[in-house]
Amino acid sequence: SQQGEEDPQALSIQEGENATMNCSYKTSINNLQWYRQNSGRGLVHLILIRSNEREKHSGRLRVTLDTSKKSSSLLITASRAADTASYFCATAGGGNNRKLIWGLGTSLAVNP
Amino acid sequence: NAGVMQNPRHLVRRRGQEARLRCSPMKGHSHVYWYRQLPEEGLKFMVYLQKENIIDESGMPKERFSAEFPKEGPSILRIQQVVRGDSAAYFCASSYRENQETQYFGPGTRLLVL
Repeated sequence: SQQGEEDPQALSIQEGENATMNCSYKTSINNLQWYRQNSGRGLVHLILIRSNEREKHSGRLRVTLDTSKKSSSLLITASRAADTASYFCATAGGGNNRKLIWGLGTSLAVNP
Repeated sequence: NAGVMQNPRHLVRRRGQEARLRCSPMKGHSHVYWYRQLPEEGLKFMVYLQKENIIDESGMPKERFSAEFPKEGPSILRIQQVVRGDSAAYFCASSYRENQETQYFGPGTRLLVL
């Protein structure tokens, strides 16, 4: 079964605007990761946030994690047309459980 | 340092044939993961392997599917007697022994069963 659920399912914004995507999950986690997938291509790792962290930044990306609400958000600031892609959250359990459990993704379209 | 390599990138099979998907992890990586992505859906975990060992195959169908990661050579995901429902993108990822958290993905193999 899917662990994560992203919302919105689809998001369309203008270049320069900020894009916020949310992810909720069901069970306890060791870390949560965000990936990007361009249409028909492979996945690119964006950022990882551990369960004991609340916020993390990487360039124009900002990720938050609220373990009490079992949710995370990904903020892309000053979006560009090249940010157009699908964004997935994936959670990893602890110990030897290294498999990633994936959400269904948010499809982001950034219009020039 | 080349990334994760997968081949073939596209594979067409008729129902009943066998499909073999190959994955060469990044240099120095000894952990391999296989995921399947159905059209318009997220990825689903299939199997996690270390060299010569299957660690977790909880996501892999019990019949027709098998995976291996030999001491030498790539990891192989094998699907016997393919059916149309096997049509999907199959992604392989690998990770370091020391840094196990980040998985690096290959470009995927897109399987089409006619």
